[in-house]
Formats: sequence, structure tokens, C-alpha cells
Amino acid sequence: DQQVKQNSPSLSVQEGRISILNCDYTNSMFDYFLWYKKYPAEGPTFLISISSIKDKNEDGRFTVFLNKSAKHLSLHIVPSQPGDSAVYFCAASRGTGTASKLTFGTGTRLQVTL
Amino acid sequence: DVKVTQSSRYLVKRTGEKVFLECVQDMDHENMFWYRQDPGLGLRLIYFSYDVKMKEKGDIPEGYSVSREKKERFSLILESASTNQTSMYLCASSSGTGWGEQYFGPGTRLTVT
Repeated sequence: DQQVKQNSPSLSVQEGRISILNCDYTNSMFDYFLWYKKYPAEGPTFLISISSIKDKNEDGRFTVFLNKSAKHLSLHIVPSQPGDSAVYFCAASRGTGTASKLTFGTGTRLQVTL
Repeated sequence: DVKVTQSSRYLVKRTGEKVFLECVQDMDHENMFWYRQDPGLGLRLIYFSYDVKMKEKGDIPEGYSVSREKKERFSLILESASTNQTSMYLCASSSGTGWGEQYFGPGTRLTVT
């Protein structure tokens, strides 16, 4: 049972345009959401997060939107750069501290073309 | 600079061998995790630990065990390696407080032949 889903395995975007990566979840108990970026042969690195009390969080070129009623979150990258080409995983957790186990989606491979 | 290190980047083992994957973190984190990453399946949690000598099963613990004798070190053990355990193994750690942001090591690419 996949509680966190990323339905697009891949996405190709031109440099300078907006990249939108989507993620859906089924467990309404999730209250914190994260995006990770992974380059080949490296571990995932934390990118941006949002708690369920917010609907938007921005960090530079990266913005995450949360729609709790639709159980949907999205990551916007504006403008997209070639260095953004990577696999992006969304993740969700319930609670904090020792309860904060992450459930990951299957990932979306973003290719930013020149 | 936070750091999670894994003992090997690449490992090749034979079917039936006992395999040890080691992970060390220098952030004094309470929680440590082992995942495997496979194409189309994302990151799946094998085991995690929230304290020394404590362990909890994740989503796919079968065929694996773990050991946490010291706070900074978390070992994943494949008792008898099989070809379906060929995968990328990722270790992560997180603080015992806060929202659970995890820091990952570089991964170990294990091939079982």
C-alpha cells in the first residue's frame, strides 16, 4: 500500500522555465512533508519542507504547496537550471522526535534541458 | 558540516555470504535508519533505531537484521545474501526532537551474484 505517490516517473523542462513536481498521499495523519533531491551515486539531500499548518513554504527558487483537502503537495522550481536535473522524492511523516519516521514516494526524475 | 558515512561505496558478494554494512554519523543523532532504493520503488525502510540497543522493523525487514551498540553507529546485516538483495543501501540519521529531517550517507551499491 503506497501511502505516498509520485505518479510521474519523469519530467523534462527547458532551462529557465518552471518545473512542477507533484505528490499525493493517502494517510490523513501525516503532518509534515519534505522534498529530497538525489543525484546519481549520492545520498538524498534535504531540499525543503512544510508542516500541515501551512499551505506554502518558499526557499529561494523552490516553493512547496500543500493542499490538505486534496492530500496533494507540489514542488515548484523557478527558474529551472541544468543543475536541478536529479531525482526528487517527496516524503511524509507523522509526529515529531522518535515518532518521525519518513514515508517516501517513488521519485520523479527531472531533466532540465538547455 | 553534518556527516553520515557508510563503510563501502560498492560491494560485491556471493549468494549465501553474510554481509555487514556499517554506518556512522557525527551529529549525535538519536535516530538512525536503513533504506534500500530500487528503480520504480523509491526508498523503502528496512529497519530503524531510536536509541542505542533499540531497533524497530520498517516496511521490508525480511532477510535483514541490525545492530546498534553505540549511538553513532548503526549496522545492517544480511545473514545470508540473496540475489534479490542486490540494491542501493542508504543509511540516514535524524535528531530525536523536531520534525524528522533525515541526513543521508552516500549509499552502498551492493551486488549479490
